[in-house]
Amino acid sequence: DGGITQSPKYLFRKEGQNVTLSCEQNLNHDAMYWYRQDPGQGLRLIYYSQIVNDFQKGDIAEGYSVSREKKESFPLTVTSAQKNPTAFYLCASSMGGLRPQHFGDGTRLSIL
Amino acid sequence: DAKTTQPPSMDCAEGRAANLPCNHSTISGNEYVYWYRQIHSQGPQYIIHGLKNNETNEMASLIITEDRKSSTLILPHATLRDTAVYYCILRSAGNNRKLIWGLGTSLAVNP
Repeated sequence: DGGITQSPKYLFRKEGQNVTLSCEQNLNHDAMYWYRQDPGQGLRLIYYSQIVNDFQKGDIAEGYSVSREKKESFPLTVTSAQKNPTAFYLCASSMGGLRPQHFGDGTRLSIL
Repeated sequence: DAKTTQPPSMDCAEGRAANLPCNHSTISGNEYVYWYRQIHSQGPQYIIHGLKNNETNEMASLIITEDRKSSTLILPHATLRDTAVYYCILRSAGNNRKLIWGLGTSLAVNP
């Protein structure tokens, strides 16, 4: 079945370490997104990409980096510069325009 | 994009219709109303969207008032699996990326 796969489901990081979250989609979608969700809050946009080899900052990009070398993949790196990385991270994709976004099941990142 | 206002929580009896309201009094002419839901610890799931006409699909119905300042998502026969947080979001035709997520309505479907 087509969908979006995020891995791992749970991730632990030591302070000062960078960590990369994986997001893969087989929906042939052009656009991909990364969101962060904190307890009891709505989603906030970190980065988005509308096409391969191009991406733009969202509302809270500081401390994060992304790449879009393949249409299917949009990995997110949480760097040591992100001071409060503990959160639920969600990846989404869409055909673009007004078409709805489809979400993965998220990665929960915690600091040891 | 304009903001939306939703009640923080609602209850519904299993088998009855769940009517979830959303206020978007500052909506502009090119903004669509989208509804998503999020079951605990999962990614959000798209439900339905519309501009000004009422819409229906296999999951729900969307009723938008004539002045477009509010809308209602209707789950016609709620089940326990419909227990989730429901988000009402506005999205403009000219803006691909921007979905402004509020706190949503936490719907509890009770047996």
